[in-house]
Amino acid sequence: EPEVTQTPSHQVTQMGQEVILRCVPISNHLYFYWYRQILGQKVEFLVSFYNNEISEKSEIFDDQFSVERPDGSNFTLKIRSTKLEDSAMYFCASSELPLNEQFFGPGTRLTVL
Amino acid sequence: AQSVTQPDIHITVSEGASLELRCNYSYGATPYLFWYVQSPGQGLQLLLKYFSGDTLVQGIKGFEAEFKRSQSSFNLRKPSVHWSDAAEYFCAVALGMDTGRRALTFGSGTRLQVQP
Repeated sequence: EPEVTQTPSHQVTQMGQEVILRCVPISNHLYFYWYRQILGQKVEFLVSFYNNEISEKSEIFDDQFSVERPDGSNFTLKIRSTKLEDSAMYFCASSELPLNEQFFGPGTRLTVL
Repeated sequence: AQSVTQPDIHITVSEGASLELRCNYSYGATPYLFWYVQSPGQGLQLLLKYFSGDTLVQGIKGFEAEFKRSQSSFNLRKPSVHWSDAAEYFCAVALGMDTGRRALTFGSGTRLQVQP
């Protein structure tokens, strides 16, 4: 069964450093998403991406964040200068059509020291 | 803004007992409704979804949910819980195509423990 994959599973970084979280969505899916879950809190939407551009973003997704689909398979989330409060589990998701089921990856746990 | 409330943070049931997890949403129209399950160290797996039509929807793993418009609720049920059902359960809503928004808004989750 096709699945969304994410790398790395765990990333530790120093405050102020740039991180790139990688995702490989399901191959025939056209809509891509990033969510995050701070420990003990809700899963929160960050951004959605379609046709090589951002289609929707939340207030969390400020200028420190960016997304990219650098090739036909990867979908990345970059945090330019990490803060302590960026520590969270980041989930990538993809869907074939808008509002169809979003398939989630296993997540990347980001720890900012 | 829409919101999703799961009033039960933690529920413990005995194996074989029935289960109901509550979910209420706040939104003027009928949103698209989802239940996801998250096992430890795993991603989110869709259990079931409601878009329109029959208000009782069946999902995977023997789960079902009923949409009640009058109560703005979408409660998840299972008649007989198995030990493997222990996990965290999230209710989520999406506003719908006509809004152009696809983001899921999640509830805070309900952690289910199953006693032998």
